[in-house]
Amino acid sequence: QVQLQESGPGLVKPSQTLSLTCSVSGGSISSGSYYWSWIRQPAGKGLEWIGRIYTRGSTNYNPSLKSRLTISIDKSKDQLSLNLRSVTAADTAVYYCARDDGAGFDFWGQGTLVTVSS
Amino acid sequence: DTQMTQSPSTLSASVGDRVTISCRASQSISAWLAWYQQKPGKAPKLLIYRTSRLESGVPSRFSGSGSGTEFTLTISSLQPDDFATYYCQQYNDYYSFGQGTKLEIK
Repeated sequence: QVQLQESGPGLVKPSQTLSLTCSVSGGSISSGSYYWSWIRQPAGKGLEWIGRIYTRGSTNYNPSLKSRLTISIDKSKDQLSLNLRSVTAADTAVYYCARDDGAGFDFWGQGTLVTVSS
Repeated sequence: DTQMTQSPSTLSASVGDRVTISCRASQSISAWLAWYQQKPGKAPKLLIYRTSRLESGVPSRFSGSGSGTEFTLTISSLQPDDFATYYCQQYNDYYSFGQGTKLEIK
């Protein structure tokens, strides 16, 4: 059973970079043909797809975030990472990582709350 | 990009009721639609993919239908565990989610 676990600072100052890691266990991040995504959810609101990385390394980003965003994968550690630059209070949310097997997001992390505040 | 619109935003129902949630795409997404259930403080759970295919372990009272731009999620007989928020999501053009439908106890 694949498990995903997000980690990173819970508090980030405005204008700084939000950096999160998602650790994958129960299977190698590089096995199979999967997209690994980051998704976020502000408190009391809906889900927003942030971006994804393919097992082989290609990326696609939400156009609204593309200029500030980098998603990468470390196959040796079975981890994917998110870097979101120049954050504001609008980036405060629960951040999830999730796996897409071509038929929706079948595995999700538990989510991690990131607050942007000085 | 493809916008997804769900209706209603809130739905009040009783145990045993049959309920339907609608989802409309701003352009055709063929059958590339999934439904998720989310409970407070938890990650979403995949219920249905490719419009009508039930994810393993999901009760058969859940069903999905539609094509193109109009889709529905139906729960045939509500159980206490079903009161949650439901999201549709398209994966034809990257990904986007509907705004959610909160299913409340009447």
